[in-house]
Amino acid sequence: TQLLEQSPQFLSIQEGENLTVYCNSSSVFSSLQWYRQEPGEGPVLLVTVVTGGEVKKLKRLTFQFGDARKDSSLHITAAQPGDTGLYLCAGDGENTGNQFYFGTGTSLTVIP
Amino acid sequence: NAGVTQTPKFRILKIGQSMTLQCTQDMNHNYMYWYRQDPGMGLKLIYYSVGAGITDKGEVPNGYNVSRSTTEDFPLRLELAAPSQTSVYFCASSLDSGANVLTFGAGSRLTVL
Repeated sequence: TQLLEQSPQFLSIQEGENLTVYCNSSSVFSSLQWYRQEPGEGPVLLVTVVTGGEVKKLKRLTFQFGDARKDSSLHITAAQPGDTGLYLCAGDGENTGNQFYFGTGTSLTVIP
Repeated sequence: NAGVTQTPKFRILKIGQSMTLQCTQDMNHNYMYWYRQDPGMGLKLIYYSVGAGITDKGEVPNGYNVSRSTTEDFPLRLELAAPSQTSVYFCASSLDSGANVLTFGAGSRLTVL
């Protein structure tokens, strides 16, 4: 069983389109992070959200932590080919021994 | 700065062989982690350490062992390699737990035949 489920698993869109990736769980998390991973490399942190309902923006990326701290979303506006990669959410809390458990991942391809 | 360094980058093992994946960090981080990533999946936590001399199990510890004799090093040992252990292994470190940044190594791709 996977503690964090991401959807969709795969996403292929045209340059300029908008998209949203979801990270869902039945568990409550103390904080949630989003990472981006490129082929042959380790994940790199994009953002950390710690407060229920929190919204953070990073240029064209908008991250939201659910009010109940069980889910999160990543919205990308006007996607560019450079956004291509594997997007991973990771949460920590009492149910994970306060260590980060990762979601199933969303593979995004942005076509020029 | 080197950050987190993993060796080897690639390795092929036969069933039943043993090996050690090495991980070193030069950021004086207290916490270190080993994750595995299977194709099309996210990362699963194998073991972690909150400091020298202290280790604990993660989600999928069976078939692996770790040690943390120094702050810098956190090797992962496979005693009897099995095809199910074919995966990409990532070592990571962070200054502390909680909402801290995980800094990852570049990964070690292991194939067990």
